[in-house]
Amino acid sequence: QLQLQESGPGLVKPSETLSLTCTVSGASITSGHYYWNWIRQPPGKALEWIGSVSYDGYTYYNPSLKSRLTISVDTSKTQFSLRLTSVAATDTAMYYCAKGYEEWELSSFDYWGQGVLVTVSS
Amino acid sequence: QSALTQPASVSGSPGQSITISCTGTSSDIGAYGYVSWYQQHTGKAPKLMIFDVSNRPSGVSNRFSGSKSGNTASLTISGLQAEDEADYYCSSFTSSSTLLFGGGTKVTVL
Repeated sequence: QLQLQESGPGLVKPSETLSLTCTVSGASITSGHYYWNWIRQPPGKALEWIGSVSYDGYTYYNPSLKSRLTISVDTSKTQFSLRLTSVAATDTAMYYCAKGYEEWELSSFDYWGQGVLVTVSS
Repeated sequence: QSALTQPASVSGSPGQSITISCTGTSSDIGAYGYVSWYQQHTGKAPKLMIFDVSNRPSGVSNRFSGSKSGNTASLTISGLQAEDEADYYCSSFTSSSTLLFGGGTKVTVL
């Protein structure tokens, strides 16, 4: 059974860098041509797509975050990561990692992590 | 890019059918057959209910169905049950190779 687990600090200071890792277990990131994705949800608000990385490292980013965002994949560790610089209070959210449902398609997500709540505050 | 437009809330009685709309543009919903729907219970991660406009993943009840007309997609829940009470989000692939979510719809079972 495929499982995803987010990890990272729950509290980040304004202007600093947020770094999160998603560890994939039960399958290899390279077993198929899937996208690996980050989605966030501010408290009480809607889901927001952050960005995606393919099994071989191609990335797609939300234009509103692109200048601050890096998503990468480490196939040897079956992990993919998110790095968001210069964070502000508006980046406070539950951050989810998720696996793409269909190969080659950046369109839907079937397996999700439980989420990690990140608060930006001094 | 603006979020897709969904009604804030929809309600129905047990056994009834309800439909949630999701309106986008000719650059997202209208351009591709890549609309998905997610169910999210309070405090839980979203669950994929519909992909590619009208397809159900294995294990999802056939009471859930999806459709699309022009720039608007719809999710219909038939035979409404108490367990269907949740937030529902649509999403669509866009012409910029990005993904947009809707603002979410709270479904209440009366």
